[in-house]
Amino acid sequence: LAKTTQPISMDSYEGQEVNITCSHNNIATNDYITWYQQFPSQGPRFIIQGYKTKVTNEVASLFIPADRKSSTLSLPRVSLSDTAVYYCLVSNRDNRKLIWGLGTSLAVNP
Amino acid sequence: KAGVTQTPRYLIKTRGQQVTLSCSPISGHRSVSWYQQTPGQGLQFLFEYFSETQRNKGNFPGRFSGRQFSNSRSEMNVSTLELGDSALYLCASSPTFGVSNNEQFFGPGTRLTVL
Repeated sequence: LAKTTQPISMDSYEGQEVNITCSHNNIATNDYITWYQQFPSQGPRFIIQGYKTKVTNEVASLFIPADRKSSTLSLPRVSLSDTAVYYCLVSNRDNRKLIWGLGTSLAVNP
Repeated sequence: KAGVTQTPRYLIKTRGQQVTLSCSPISGHRSVSWYQQTPGQGLQFLFEYFSETQRNKGNFPGRFSGRQFSNSRSEMNVSTLELGDSALYLCASSPTFGVSNNEQFFGPGTRLTVL
């Protein structure tokens, strides 16, 4: 049964780089990897999406090794406002597969 | 541009009742997806609508249904409510069908409590 696995929680300090890894051993050729951020009382918010190698945008980087069985979300120099739950999603083009991780609760401490 | 709106934000019902939740997508977005979020199960996909047609459906019983109108607004209905239906129901919109290469924009959710 395909699933995505990510750590339940992580702790960090302001200014540090945070790396959250998601395991998706059964990822298929056509699947994409997407990360979302969710604050309390809000819906998830898109962070970044990738298919292979490395993707970078203004808020994060996504590293995907050649076998694509895992992916790592990298948040550079986190601040207190990055305290949130981060979700990994594996999906295919026509949405017939949508596999969400259970989320990683990141706590950024001063 | 206004974001995804969901009404109501909070709802309390009793077992056996039915409920209808509403979602207005971002202007111009034609795809609307619904999710159920619970602490134990996380985010679970309910269904996706595009151009008034259900394109995909998750593994939920037939008590969960939805529809989409010509203006892309969507409703989901849950009949014969059970205690286990208590959850945060999220709606997400995107410009086109399929989320693999499409960013989804989520609303704040409707918190449903079944007593």
